[in-house]
Amino acid sequence: AQKITQTQPGMFVQEKEAVTLDCTYDTSDQSYGLFWYKQPSSGEMIFLIYQGSYDEQNATEGRYSLNFQKARKSANLVISASQLGDSAMYFCAMRERTSGSRLTFGEGTQLTVNP
Amino acid sequence: DAGVIQSPRHEVTEMGQEVTLRCKPISGHNSLFWYRQTMMRGLELLIYFNNNVPIDDSGMPEDRFSAKMPNASFSTLKIQPSEPRDSAVYFCASSLFRLGTSGYNEQFFGPGTRLTVL
Repeated sequence: AQKITQTQPGMFVQEKEAVTLDCTYDTSDQSYGLFWYKQPSSGEMIFLIYQGSYDEQNATEGRYSLNFQKARKSANLVISASQLGDSAMYFCAMRERTSGSRLTFGEGTQLTVNP
Repeated sequence: DAGVIQSPRHEVTEMGQEVTLRCKPISGHNSLFWYRQTMMRGLELLIYFNNNVPIDDSGMPEDRFSAKMPNASFSTLKIQPSEPRDSAVYFCASSLFRLGTSGYNEQFFGPGTRLTVL
């Protein structure tokens, strides 16, 4: 079974609007972490935001926030006030306590911000 | 601060040749990861090291692939002999791993090596 599922291969949003990128995960561990990475067309992988399974509040980093719904096993990324530079591939990833340092990545969502 | 350094950034080689990719992790990090990214398979973990010791190499495709980490500041990924299906972007990443946690130890990625095998 897929551990990380990103059901949106592509998303479009108008500049200055908010967008939500979906991520659901599957784990039997009680302790785990969820990460979002951005990969622009230049190819580098950029860490955006982290949410721990025991964190009671949703993580926020500037215009990025993580809508963490533990019971539903979802960790959606919300980007507010989209900018043209946000156009990129976005990957959700999970680290489980029992898997050591390993991160498991989803297939990614290609976000396009239209002017 | 220097990030993860990979070399070369681009490599074009012919089928059958040996290819060596190099990685210098962030100083102080104790975990190092090699990933491969293709359109078909997405981002795959090939192998990772903790404290220079290979922990999980289950993602290494076959015996043609080998990885070493002789010290904390250097790792290589070698493909011998290379095949056209090895064409991909290879990323190296590093992190600071703390035993017994699943916490905030994000992986920092290098810029990647784009490998083309003709």
